[in-house]
Amino acid sequence: EAELVESGGGLVQPGRSLRLSCRTYGFRFADYAMAWVRQAPGKGLEWLSFIRSKAHSGAAEHAASVKGRFTISRDDSTGIAYLQMNSLKTEDTGVYYCARDSLECTDARCRGYHYYYMDVWGKGATVTVSS
Amino acid sequence: QLVLTQSPSASASLGASVTVTCTLSSGYTSYAIAWHQQQPEKGPRYLMRINSDGTYSTGDGIPDRFSGSRSGAERYLTISGVQSEDEADYYCQSYDSGTQVFGGGTKVTVL
Repeated sequence: EAELVESGGGLVQPGRSLRLSCRTYGFRFADYAMAWVRQAPGKGLEWLSFIRSKAHSGAAEHAASVKGRFTISRDDSTGIAYLQMNSLKTEDTGVYYCARDSLECTDARCRGYHYYYMDVWGKGATVTVSS
Repeated sequence: QLVLTQSPSASASLGASVTVTCTLSSGYTSYAIAWHQQQPEKGPRYLMRINSDGTYSTGDGIPDRFSGSRSGAERYLTISGVQSEDEADYYCQSYDSGTQVFGGGTKVTVL
């Protein structure tokens, strides 16, 4: 059974950095894209970043709200995804979830319509940005 | 740009049915979506995806009282025979050109 475990959360001052890790179990990590999603207190889910599998370029994408401050990466040899968060702001406070991103294609080479959907979630890591 | 719109709340009596709706913005009305459930104080859980042709596929271990469908720009999650543990927030999610998007969420209350 696939499982994701986040770590690295905590209390950090504004302007500082933090790196979250997402350890994965029970599936072939290299075959999947991975995503980070956060939830501010009392709010909904917000997509932050995702990184494709190397078979589909390995390229990363980031939401406009974190572009230039957050960087997603992956280590296929250890099955870990990371989220490096720099220049943290108080509004970055929340629970950060790691998710496995499965790819569905309508043709064999995935050249036509395709989409990613998050089909396995971790339990989350809490990040509090405060002075 | 792709925007997913959900009503903030829905309710149903125990054992009745409830339908949650996700509306895709203009230009994206044929897109596939996924539904996720978030019970109080828990992380999200994947429920199902609804493909662009309207067929749906549920995740592992999801009870068969959960079903999906589509009509035009709308995507539906229906819970038949609602149980107390179905009281939760439900989010739709989709993808376009390197960007993933969530709807604002619908809080389902079981009466």
